[in-house]
Amino acid sequence: DAGVTQSPTHLIKTRGQQVTLRCSPKSGHDTVSWYQQALGQGPQFIFQYYEEEERQRGNFPDRFSGHQFPNYSSELNVNALLLGDSALYLCASSPVSGGRAKNIQYFGAGTRLSVL
Amino acid sequence: DAKTTQPPSMDCAEGRAANLPCNHSTISGNEYVYWYRQIHSQGPQYIIHGLKNNETNEMASLIITEDRKSSTLILPHATLRDTAVYYCIVRSYGGSQGNLIFGKGTKLSVKP
Repeated sequence: DAGVTQSPTHLIKTRGQQVTLRCSPKSGHDTVSWYQQALGQGPQFIFQYYEEEERQRGNFPDRFSGHQFPNYSSELNVNALLLGDSALYLCASSPVSGGRAKNIQYFGAGTRLSVL
Repeated sequence: DAKTTQPPSMDCAEGRAANLPCNHSTISGNEYVYWYRQIHSQGPQYIIHGLKNNETNEMASLIITEDRKSSTLILPHATLRDTAVYYCIVRSYGGSQGNLIFGKGTKLSVKP
């Protein structure tokens, strides 16, 4: 049973460019959340998708957008990249139902984005 | 902001129990305590969660005080592979599946 998978693992972009990161949730999970982790900090919540809609959003500008597909996979898009967007981007998935397992978020290994 | 307070770092000898404290004095009745850890350059890993009763699984034990204002994560026999940053998170259960608010965590160093 594959866990949460993210691609690519590393990415280098220049300022002003756009980037798309991808996430496949754990089997049986239908909710996907995205987090940004700057060096030396804890992860910060970007947004969460369920039933192909953004359900919750953290304090991130509109340059950050996402999408969820019918197979529950998800993309994170960042436009007009800034140097400060350099970070580890984490995807987490969770099941909506399942008793005690509900609400436990399982994380992928992340995508390391460097903006030059 | 994170609703929890943790020491920034701790050391533990290999084979000994690691006891990681967490203060969450403003926890409300419908909020659970979750613990995650993050080994260098990997994504956070779920460890355990609980409401008010002590919990144990194959990874760790969680002890929550009776007033629920603090808790302790116990790794019974720490190994070098347990070296990681440990995050204590308070979060409501159910509803719209609120996001996880991470603080800076405790950096646990297990030494031989």
